Amino acid sequence: KQEVTQIPAALSVPEGENLVLNCSFTDSAIYNLQWFRQDPGKGLTSLLLIQSSQREQTSGRLNASLDKSSGRSTLYIAASQPGDSATYLCASGGGYQKVTFGIGTKLQVIP
Amino acid sequence: EAQVTQNPRYLITVTGKKLTVTCSQNMNHEYMSWYRQDPGLGLRQIYYSMNVEVTDKGDVPEGYKVSRKEKRNFPLILESPSPNQTSLYFCASSLYLDLPKTLSSYNEQFFGPGTRLTVL
Repeated sequence: KQEVTQIPAALSVPEGENLVLNCSFTDSAIYNLQWFRQDPGKGLTSLLLIQSSQREQTSGRLNASLDKSSGRSTLYIAASQPGDSATYLCASGGGYQKVTFGIGTKLQVIP
Repeated sequence: EAQVTQNPRYLITVTGKKLTVTCSQNMNHEYMSWYRQDPGLGLRQIYYSMNVEVTDKGDVPEGYKVSRKEKRNFPLILESPSPNQTSLYFCASSLYLDLPKTLSSYNEQFFGPGTRLTVL
């Protein structure tokens, strides 16, 4: 059974800092890995999806990498802003596999 | 606007009173799924559907039913709700799920706004 872990559970950084969020998974036979953002009381917004054949994906200040051999994905946020404050979730899945989420990393960017 | 909609957004009910949470998507997606989100446990998959009339259990299906009679709708049914089903529920959809790995970018999931359910 796939298990997805996100460390740290919470992170507080000053505005402008670059930061890395970590996601690890136990079963490397994934089809893709997706990063989401969740604002308090809101739904999930898709940020980036990395196919299993890819190493990374970029969107604006966000860069997600995938290393299946080590069972890890990272989300890099450049020049963080207060508006980036949210909970970030990663999820593995695709194909006939069930989708498995991590519990998330709660990020606070301090002005 | 492409979206996943859920109704109701908030619901307070009592133990044993049957309820249905509706989910609809207008993107012609084949795959739809229900999740519940609980503090400390994250999002857990309840049921998913690969296509019309095709459904399968996720990790926490007990106490829930689903149906997929139409491509756009995937209602979640609680026949006899209990307090441990108090949770935040999300519906999601994606274009496909069963694709070769090289095309799995089409597996990107889109989520509804959530339904906060309280069972007294």
